Amino acid sequence: DIQMTQSPSSLSASVGDRVTIPCRASQSIGIYLNWYQQKPGKAPKLLIHGAFSLQSGVPSRFSGSGSGTDFTLTISSLQPEDFATYYCQQSYSTRALAFGGGTKVEIK
Amino acid sequence: QITLKESGPTLVKPTETLTLTCIFSGFSLSTSGVGVGWIRQPPGKALEWLALIYWDDDKRYSPSLKSRLTITMDTSKIQVVLTMTNLDPVDTATYYCTRLNTHNNYFDYWGPGTLVTVSS
Repeated sequence: DIQMTQSPSSLSASVGDRVTIPCRASQSIGIYLNWYQQKPGKAPKLLIHGAFSLQSGVPSRFSGSGSGTDFTLTISSLQPEDFATYYCQQSYSTRALAFGGGTKVEIK
Repeated sequence: QITLKESGPTLVKPTETLTLTCIFSGFSLSTSGVGVGWIRQPPGKALEWLALIYWDDDKRYSPSLKSRLTITMDTSKIQVVLTMTNLDPVDTATYYCTRLNTHNNYFDYWGPGTLVTVSS
């Protein structure tokens, strides 16, 4: 089964910073990679699908890149409402739609 | 407007069976290219995918939990049920029902989640 790794598990940043969040797959998954944002006590929200396609209604400061095994979620200018936990999810193999362990973006 | 909502018991005893229901609106499982999935999240931990059912009744299960899970849809195709047997305290989690878009197999709509506690 494909394993998804997100490291670091947390990072500190300031409002206005450019933030990059990495995600690595244990084998090549093409561009079958999705990103979600989760705030405390809330359900996750889809941000990016197919590695770089922005979900409707998601601010353009969010972008995704990568292919194969290495992917990145970038927030171009961090806003107060962006402090949350971010999860990647592979969708290459529907036998096991694995999520990464998450990266929590905290206020510096 | 697409909405999903989970319902079921909030407290289950160890070894018992959990039955969760997802009722959704704004789409139907009679529409091709659509699926409904279940995902759980233990307190303070990461998301874990559990099961999927597609519009054509094809089903997928997490390999690690496959022997304990059953996912079904009702004949109206606006309700999906997840059954998990032999509950253990480690199964304590918030359980989410989600819509799957099969274009790239992403979860585009989520229910609010329901917290299930396994304790005697």
